[in-house]
Amino acid sequence: AQSVSQHNHHVILSEAASLELGCNYSYGGTVNLFWYVQYPGQHLQLLLKYFSGDPLVKGIKGFEAEFIKSKFSFNLRKPSVQWSDTAEYFCASEGPFGNEKLTFGTGTRLTIIP
Amino acid sequence: NAGVTQTPKFQVLKTGQSMTLQCAQDMNHNSMYWYRQDPGMGLRLIYYSASEGTTDKGEVPNGYNVSRLNKREFSLRLESAAPSQTSVYFCASSEPGGASGGELFFGEGSRLTVL
Repeated sequence: AQSVSQHNHHVILSEAASLELGCNYSYGGTVNLFWYVQYPGQHLQLLLKYFSGDPLVKGIKGFEAEFIKSKFSFNLRKPSVQWSDTAEYFCASEGPFGNEKLTFGTGTRLTIIP
Repeated sequence: NAGVTQTPKFQVLKTGQSMTLQCAQDMNHNSMYWYRQDPGMGLRLIYYSASEGTTDKGEVPNGYNVSRLNKREFSLRLESAAPSQTSVYFCASSEPGGASGGELFFGEGSRLTVL
């Protein structure tokens, strides 16, 4: 079975700091990768996704993620965080065969200090 | 455009009681899902339905049943609630290969407490 690991459980940063959240997936074949965000009291929404092509994917609100196949990683980055980025972030993988069942990581809670 | 709508948003049950969580989507998606979210555990798939008339078990199906009533609706039933089922439940839908590229669209969640 697939697994997705997010090793940072809680990250605390000051505004304007740079962010990198780690994500590693277990499946070695073709895989689709996603980052979802859950703002306090809200439902999950898609930040960005990787299916194929350019391994550097840009999403909403200035977030980007880099797919590194050799490291089984899909880390999320943002050069300068804002207080409004306080949320929980989930990495997810879909595969093999694009069977639509996403496997989610345990999430990383991000707290931005003004 | 309402997207994915779940009811109820909050529910308190006693051990052994039954209840049904309702979910409806208006995006004409074929696939629908039920997840539960627990602290430190992330989201775990309970059941999913790839299309109307089909349902399959996910990672944590024990204690739950589902019904895909039609293309729009996918309900989750707890026949005899247990405290271990205290959680936040999310319904989601997707359309693989469509314009959204398989993205999951989530409802706002249903917070269930079993005493």
